[in-house]
This record gives sequence, C-alpha cells and structure tokens, in this order.
Amino acid sequence: EAGVAQSPRYKIIEKRQSVAFWCNPISGHATLYWYQQILGQGPKLLIQFQNNGVVDDSQLPKDRFSAERLKGVDSTLKIQPAKLEDSAVYLCASSSDAGAYNEQFFGPGTRLTVL
Amino acid sequence: AQSVAQPEDQVNVAEGNPLTVKCTYSVSGNPYLFWYVQYPNRGLQFLLKYITGDNLVKGSYGFEAEFNKSQTSFHLKKPSALVSDSALYFCAVILSTGKLIFGQGTTLQVKP
Repeated sequence: EAGVAQSPRYKIIEKRQSVAFWCNPISGHATLYWYQQILGQGPKLLIQFQNNGVVDDSQLPKDRFSAERLKGVDSTLKIQPAKLEDSAVYLCASSSDAGAYNEQFFGPGTRLTVL
Repeated sequence: AQSVAQPEDQVNVAEGNPLTVKCTYSVSGNPYLFWYVQYPNRGLQFLLKYITGDNLVKGSYGFEAEFNKSQTSFHLKKPSALVSDSALYFCAVILSTGKLIFGQGTTLQVKP
C-alpha cells in the first residue's frame, strides 16, 4: 500500500511570510496527526484529526498555525506569519484506529527553514 | 504528566556486538510504549510496541525491547549490531487518544 505522502519536502522562507504543507494519509486511515520536530528533539504533536474533526490541538500555536482536513482525507497545515523558531521538520502521520494503540505511519516530512 | 526520557544522546557500538538503547517512562496508569527509528531525511518507522503481556517484545529488523515495570524502563536491544542499524531512535508513550509523546531521541552509531 502507498505510504503517507507529504509535500513539499523542503521549504525556505523569510520570517513573517506564510507557508502551507500538505499531507495525504494512507487510504482508509481515519486518524491524521501533524507533529513538529525541532532539531535535537523528539516530535511534538501539533494537532490530531479523527476524520474531519479535531481531537487534540492543545499544543498548536493558534495565533499563527492553522490546519484543516475538510473531507476527512488529506490535510493542510499553515503557518502565518512564520517566526524563526518555526524552523523544524513537520511530520504527518496516520493510523487506522487511534483508540486501539495502533502504530502510526509517518510521512517523510517537510523541512522548513525560516530566515 | 506523561513523559519519556532517553538518558543517552548517543550510543556507540562495534558491529557484531550487542546494543542497548535506554528508555525510562513516567505515566499514570498502564504504560503503552513504542520504539520508532528515523533514518536521515526519512520519516519515523515503527519498530515495536508494548501494550500488555510478555515483558520481552520482539520487533522489526531483529530488535527487541524489555518492559520492566519496577524500574519503569523499556530498553531497546539487539544481540548483534549492524552498521545499517545506525540511525536515530525514539522511545514514546501512547495515550488512549492515540497521541504519542516522544523522548528526545538517541543516536546509535555502529562502527565496522
């Protein structure tokens, strides 16, 4: 089966600009996650969707970050305006059933550099 | 608060020798634990998980992990390391919602 797809793979922007990342999960996976991985740290959950509803966005900086999953399939994460500290790898993951402690399948990530 | 700690930033081992990557956890209730591996410029790959049952869990690529409730540890092990095992390893605890809380990661360097 095809894995989790993400684009772009790399993005360089200047601070105060906006940027958007796209993720297409594994077909049939109801749960989609966005993680932020800062260099030297483990990934941190930004937002979790179950179909097109938000389950957890407690660590999403809502003044600048937004995410949507309108049709319950692919998802977009946006940053506007970007700050230097947003430089990180943004990982998308999906799983078939979030409540069953199933493994999450990760995409290759988008490496964002904010100058 | 649920948390995971990986006390070693880097582990160095010679090819053919056994390896251990350490992980300790702090959770309320039953711990559900995962190990993931990350190769350069690639996403995380699932290695194994402990949910319940046998304390020794076997996973992908010959890796295994030992759950120790009294020591609140979940160390990753392999009897004989390969150069290709060199990568970044993450221990994580999973909540009932599916949220993964990761440790800071341990770089494994296997030298020929």
